[in-house]
Amino acid sequence: QVQLKESGPGLVQPSQTLSLTCTVSGFSLTDYSVHWVRQPPGKGLEWMGGIWGNGNTNYNSALKSRLSICRDTSKSLVFLKMNSLQTEDTAIYYCTRDLRGIMYTSHYFDYWGQGVMVTVSS
Amino acid sequence: DIQMTQSPASLSASLGETVTIECLASEDIYDILAWYQQKPGKSPQLLIYDASSLHTGVPSRFSGSGSGTQYSLKINSLQPEDFASYYCQNGLSAPLTFGSGTKLEIK
Repeated sequence: QVQLKESGPGLVQPSQTLSLTCTVSGFSLTDYSVHWVRQPPGKGLEWMGGIWGNGNTNYNSALKSRLSICRDTSKSLVFLKMNSLQTEDTAIYYCTRDLRGIMYTSHYFDYWGQGVMVTVSS
Repeated sequence: DIQMTQSPASLSASLGETVTIECLASEDIYDILAWYQQKPGKSPQLLIYDASSLHTGVPSRFSGSGSGTQYSLKINSLQPEDFASYYCQNGLSAPLTFGSGTKLEIK
């Protein structure tokens, strides 16, 4: 069955770089796009960016200068790297799969990981 | 970027009631809109996509409607498990923006 699981450090110091991994199973990264969504404590959801089945990426313009998403299709892994972290980057970070395959131009999220809480603090 | 304005921010209702949540897009999104439910401590769950299509396994008391820039989520006959937060999402073009959310509480 389809599963996604995020992993990474729970605590990051201000100005440092966050590295997260999303391990997926039950589908191929070349058939579906995978996205990162974050949620600060007690607040709403923010789409950060995604990597499409063909390997192209798209980022939220508010984060684009700090954010990078890549993948290893052979290992079914998607990576997120974001630099220059600040306290406002404290959030739960989710990876999520697109509902539809690569032939569709609409993007919704049907399977989600459990999320990983990242705290930015010294 | 497409902005999604969701209302109300919070809503109090009783079991068995019917409620409606609204979402306004800053431009026409051609029905490319989803609704999600999120319970405390849990990941969001897809309820509705393409504005009105019910995702697999979602109870029929949930329904979506709208077109152009205006969309709504209706929940009939509220059940205890429906008290949660709800978000709309632009699925048309990046950034794939979410509404600010509606917290549905028991009256």
